[in-house]
Amino acid sequence: DQQVKQNSPSLSVQEGRISILNCDYTNSMFDYFLWYKKYPAEGPTFLISISSIKDKNEDGRFTVFLNKSAKHLSLHIVPSQPGDSAVYFCAASATGGFKTIFGAGTRLFVKA
Amino acid sequence: DAGVTQSPTHLIKTRGQQVTLRCSPKSGHDTVSWYQQALGQGPQFIFQYYEEEERQRGNFPDRFSGHQFPNYSSELNVNALLLGDSALYLCASSPWDRGQGYGYTFGSGTRLTVV
Repeated sequence: DQQVKQNSPSLSVQEGRISILNCDYTNSMFDYFLWYKKYPAEGPTFLISISSIKDKNEDGRFTVFLNKSAKHLSLHIVPSQPGDSAVYFCAASATGGFKTIFGAGTRLFVKA
Repeated sequence: DAGVTQSPTHLIKTRGQQVTLRCSPKSGHDTVSWYQQALGQGPQFIFQYYEEEERQRGNFPDRFSGHQFPNYSSELNVNALLLGDSALYLCASSPWDRGQGYGYTFGSGTRLTVV
């Protein structure tokens, strides 16, 4: 049962343009959502998170939007840079729960 | 400041054998979670340890077991290895009293190949 879904296995974007990575979830108990970035041969690195009481959180070039009614979140990267090329994982957790559930990831290619 | 350290980085085992993977958490972190990442998939939660106790477990058989030591380091043991256990095993650490929005710090993982 995939509770966190990233339906796009890959995304290709031109340098300087916006990258939009999408994520859907099914469990209404999730109240925190996180994005991680993973380079080859490295572990995932935490990027940004958002609480379910917010609909937007921004950190530099990275912005996460949450639509609770649609059970959908997205990560916007503006402007995209070649160094952003990596696999991005969406993850979710519930208050009182200990585990974080990850999606399958989206591979982002930023072309120079 | 050292992050999460995992050893070994690569390992090849034969079906039926047993394996032990090791993890040292980031300084200041007291909670360790283990994840299995199969090729093309996201990390799957195995279990989490705090105060030397298993706090929660994912959908993994009893062949997967763990331990946490007083210095917060942890081991993941897998018995009776199957070909399907071949994966990247990730260790993640965090403070127990972290807020929900506090992300994990991951190690680079141990690549286990079962032949």
